[in-house]
Amino acid sequence: EAQVTQNPRYLITVTGKKLTVTCSQNMNHEYMSWYRQDPGLGLRQIYYSMNVEVTDKGDVPEGYKVSRKEKRNFPLILESPSPNQTSLYFCASSRQGAYEQYFGPGTRLTVT
Amino acid sequence: AQTVTQSQPEMSVQEAETVTLSCTYDTSENNYYLFWYKQPPSRQMILVIRQEAYKQQNATENRFSVNFQKAAKSFSLKISDSQLGDTAMYFCAFQGGSEKLVFGKGTKLTVNP
Repeated sequence: EAQVTQNPRYLITVTGKKLTVTCSQNMNHEYMSWYRQDPGLGLRQIYYSMNVEVTDKGDVPEGYKVSRKEKRNFPLILESPSPNQTSLYFCASSRQGAYEQYFGPGTRLTVT
Repeated sequence: AQTVTQSQPEMSVQEAETVTLSCTYDTSENNYYLFWYKQPPSRQMILVIRQEAYKQQNATENRFSVNFQKAAKSFSLKISDSQLGDTAMYFCAFQGGSEKLVFGKGTKLTVNP
């Protein structure tokens, strides 16, 4: 089954404790992206990757890191999480030049 | 930079009736795609319908259709014969040459029995 998976689905952590949210897709997609969703703000792009070893900032990259060492994986790293990063996070992927992005199920992160 | 505006934070409709959700966008690009995504309480993002800007014909998917007005930069979603399962957040989104999706802030739709 074609899908985008994210882990964990729920995470409660404390300020400053490094964490990683994993994202994996099995569709051989070149393009992958991370979004955060906040009430009243919709979804905003954090980082994206056009292919392996090619990443770039989206609209709200502060406080986040990403890497793309393999085509299928695109982890989101929070080196020192803060409460303002409490949010719902989505990973998405698509073929290069395609116009449909496939979304993961979301990760609910709470930073206390 | 592109922007997407959904002017209706919340809407409600009676079951079996028709409802229209509004969306406007701003861009200087000529070739782009527009989408409506549905987010039910499960939080999953579900693609409802998409429209290629170069196509004049409005997209239709079963009970869902759009009114795409390129000159006015308007992209509204019409849901016919509303069902309880249509209750969800609906997001309008724009995708230009960069492949980045730019989302509106969403419209919360409630279908009442």
